[in-house]
Amino acid sequence: GAVVSQHPSRVICKSGTSVKIECRSLDFQATTMFWYRQFPKQSLMLMATSNEGSKATYEQGVEKDKFLINHASLTLSTLTVTSAHPEDSSFYICSASEGPLYNEQFFGPGTRLTVL
Amino acid sequence: QKEVEQNSGPLSVPEGAIASLNCTYSDRGSQSFFWYRQYSGKSPELIMSIYSNGDKEDGRFTAQLNKASQYVSLLIRDSQPSDSATYLCAVRGGSNFGNEKLTFGTGTRLTIIP
Repeated sequence: GAVVSQHPSRVICKSGTSVKIECRSLDFQATTMFWYRQFPKQSLMLMATSNEGSKATYEQGVEKDKFLINHASLTLSTLTVTSAHPEDSSFYICSASEGPLYNEQFFGPGTRLTVL
Repeated sequence: QKEVEQNSGPLSVPEGAIASLNCTYSDRGSQSFFWYRQYSGKSPELIMSIYSNGDKEDGRFTAQLNKASQYVSLLIRDSQPSDSATYLCAVRGGSNFGNEKLTFGTGTRLTIIP
């Protein structure tokens, strides 16, 4: 149980295009989903927290107009990187939680984005 | 002071020995504690969660929590080469009570030597 999927696993795009990444909880309802970014040999960096049906909460320094998050249902959240640039190239990982404080957070397999 | 601190390593342990990974946290009100394993190029995988003082065992893994000392550890018995990875300590609750986001340490890189 507790499986989280992400699609696509890898994407290469040209500078200036937008990329959408999907995160799905396959066997549980995720009231909360999280989006992280990780650069090579660095720690996970939380970008935003999204709750189903409400606006995402972005961490300080993360541009909400550039990284659009939609949590439309209890099993799906999407991250859209708008007008991507080479510096946005990174490993994007989502995680999902069923909700209350003691529930674990499960990670998807990640999406590697390369912007040319 | 970092909120969650780990020794970055690398920590080298002979195959078959016990690997001991340590983590301290600054928020005394923290409620939930997790250990994740991350292989190079992959996403983190949850291996242990612990919520109350004491030990929690799961197979070759034992998590230990001491809230008074604000300390959590992970022991890996009979270490295998496949245990070679970066281990992330994560904490939730305290000042983030009601907010489910995790605070991660920077991770300890563990290498098991055959």
